Amino acid sequence: KQEVTQIPAALSVPEGENLVLNCSFTDSAIYNLQWFRQDPGKGLTSLLLIQSSQREQTSGRLNASLDKSSGRSTLYIAASQPGDSATYLCAVKSLGSSNTGKLIFGQGTTLQVKP
Amino acid sequence: GAVVSQHPSWVICKSGTSVKIECRSLDFQATTMFWYRQFPKQSLMLMATSNEGSKATYEQGVEKDKFLINHASLTLSTLTVTSAHPEDSSFYICSARDLAGVGPNEQFFGPGTRLTVL
Repeated sequence: KQEVTQIPAALSVPEGENLVLNCSFTDSAIYNLQWFRQDPGKGLTSLLLIQSSQREQTSGRLNASLDKSSGRSTLYIAASQPGDSATYLCAVKSLGSSNTGKLIFGQGTTLQVKP
Repeated sequence: GAVVSQHPSWVICKSGTSVKIECRSLDFQATTMFWYRQFPKQSLMLMATSNEGSKATYEQGVEKDKFLINHASLTLSTLTVTSAHPEDSSFYICSARDLAGVGPNEQFFGPGTRLTVL
């Protein structure tokens, strides 16, 4: 059974700092891994999706890496801004779920960027 | 980009009543829709997978008679919480899978519905 864990659960940093969020998964047989952002009381916004054959994806100040063999992914946020404050969720789609599309989510990391 | 809407965005009801939540894909056809629930400061837990024209597949521990799902068209799925109780209070989020299932973001999420049962 796939399990996804995110560390830390919460993080507070001063504006401008670079930071790394971690995600680990127990079963390396994944189809892809996705990072989402969730603002309080809101739905999910997809940030980056990494296919199992890829090592990383970049979008603006965000960079996500994937090490499938070790069951880890990191989300790197450069030059953090107060507007980056949100909860960041990673989700894994296992190979067995590639047709169903089922995602397994981590618990999230709640980020606060202080001005 | 693909947009998924939910209605209502929040609802308060009395214990024992039933509440229906709608999930619509606005600009694409969705053969599959997913229903999640999220408790405060916790992650999303998949409740069921809804396929257009067929019965929903429920995750272990989710009561199908309690949470009725109907996926009557390629753009609409509904979740009905029957005989709601305070422990059903939660944030319910749906997602819809693009018919083509291609591209980087094949699954799109709705904005969520906050249910409070008094």
